[in-house]
Amino acid sequence: GAVVSQHPSRVICKSGTSVKIECRSLDFQATTMFWYRQFPKKSLMLMATSNEGSKATYEQGVEKDKFLINHASLTLSTLTVTSAHPEDSSFYICSARGVESSGANVLTFGAGSRLTVL
Amino acid sequence: AQSVTQLGSHVSVSEGALVLLRCNYSSSVPPYLFWYVQYPNQGLQLLLKYTSAATLVKGINGFEAEFKKSETSFHLTKPSAHMSDAAEYFCAVSHPNNAGNMLTFGGGTRLMVKP
Repeated sequence: GAVVSQHPSRVICKSGTSVKIECRSLDFQATTMFWYRQFPKKSLMLMATSNEGSKATYEQGVEKDKFLINHASLTLSTLTVTSAHPEDSSFYICSARGVESSGANVLTFGAGSRLTVL
Repeated sequence: AQSVTQLGSHVSVSEGALVLLRCNYSSSVPPYLFWYVQYPNQGLQLLLKYTSAATLVKGINGFEAEFKKSETSFHLTKPSAHMSDAAEYFCAVSHPNNAGNMLTFGGGTRLMVKP
């Protein structure tokens, strides 16, 4: 079945540095990728939607200059947290929508990335 | 606009007891509905989904959910809880005609299973 690989699964960084999280679709082409953030004791919040080859659409309240999203190919999207601060510490999850070789539509989640900013 | 409400942020059951996690949705058209589970330190995993076929949907690990249009509900059940079922469960809705298949999640319910 369709698999989304998200890397790294855990990352710890110093305040002020930038962190890149990758989301790759395996065995299918992801025309659309979604990035979610999970706050402690709260539900998932959609941050942005990206379509291959175009700029990401950010949800209200999400700083696009802070959370840079690139979807340069049909199998890879990246989220870069720039100048990270402790309040950016969270669990980030991507999901990818596309079509498998069988023609079936898929929507699959990555395993998530836990970011801790010291 | 669509929304999802999960009643009860925490549910505690005894091992072997019935699991019932409630989910109500709001949607202007018949939606697609999903239940996801998140085990500690892991990502989301799809349990089951309803996409306008049979209203009673069977998922993995013995879970099932029934779509009830009249009640706008999609409650998740399992006849007998196992210790390994302890996790956080999310109900989600998407609009069938939404080309992006964007999901709207409920607030999540943490299931605790007592020995």
